[in-house]
Amino acid sequence: QLVLTQSPSASASLGASVKLTCTLSSGHSSYAIAWHQQQPEKGPRYLMKLNSDGSHSKGDGIPDRFSGSSSGAERYLTISSLQSEDEADYYCQTWGTGVVFGGGTKLTVL
Amino acid sequence: EVQLVESGGGLVKPGGSLRLSCAASGFTFSSYSMNWVRQAPGKGLEWVSSISSSSSYIYYADSVKGRFTISRDNAKNSLYLQMNSLRAEDTAVYYCARGQDQLPMRAFDYWGQGTLVTVSS
Repeated sequence: QLVLTQSPSASASLGASVKLTCTLSSGHSSYAIAWHQQQPEKGPRYLMKLNSDGSHSKGDGIPDRFSGSSSGAERYLTISSLQSEDEADYYCQTWGTGVVFGGGTKLTVL
Repeated sequence: EVQLVESGGGLVKPGGSLRLSCAASGFTFSSYSMNWVRQAPGKGLEWVSSISSSSSYIYYADSVKGRFTISRDNAKNSLYLQMNSLRAEDTAVYYCARGQDQLPMRAFDYWGQGTLVTVSS
């Protein structure tokens, strides 16, 4: 069964970097994912598509501070030079016979 | 600029029906798959349904199969979700989202702002 697992919460200081993790279920380590950001009271925003080899393609207007990488079944979103507006929920998404979202990670910028 | 604007949400009684619409602009609507995703209050994102650019391929989450129907009108640049036999657990903000190409089961690269559906007596 295709499942995405995310930690419920993360925190980092203003100006620092943070690495969020999305883990694909067993047998699905070759799957691509997408990362989405949802700021409070807003609709989601597409950040990037991330392939199993770590290559990624970002959405329109996504700053260079956002980057993606992969290792095995893990897909990462790294945000550098954290700003207050990065405080948001981050969801990973994948697809197979259906579409699956991870449970989301709530990022707090201290 | 790509824009997706949902409408049609509201308060409906259990067992009732509602039709959501999503008006698309800023891109060639007929070239892209489209999707519905919902978010219950305080919860995460849940995929609802996907439709290919030509309506040839349609998929539903098990939670809505047999009750919801996705459709599109490429001449009107519009996506629809007909929701029947609504339940309290269908209460959510419903988002439309664009797929990255004509086939479903792709990354979603643009999202609307959502429309709230509340199912309550």
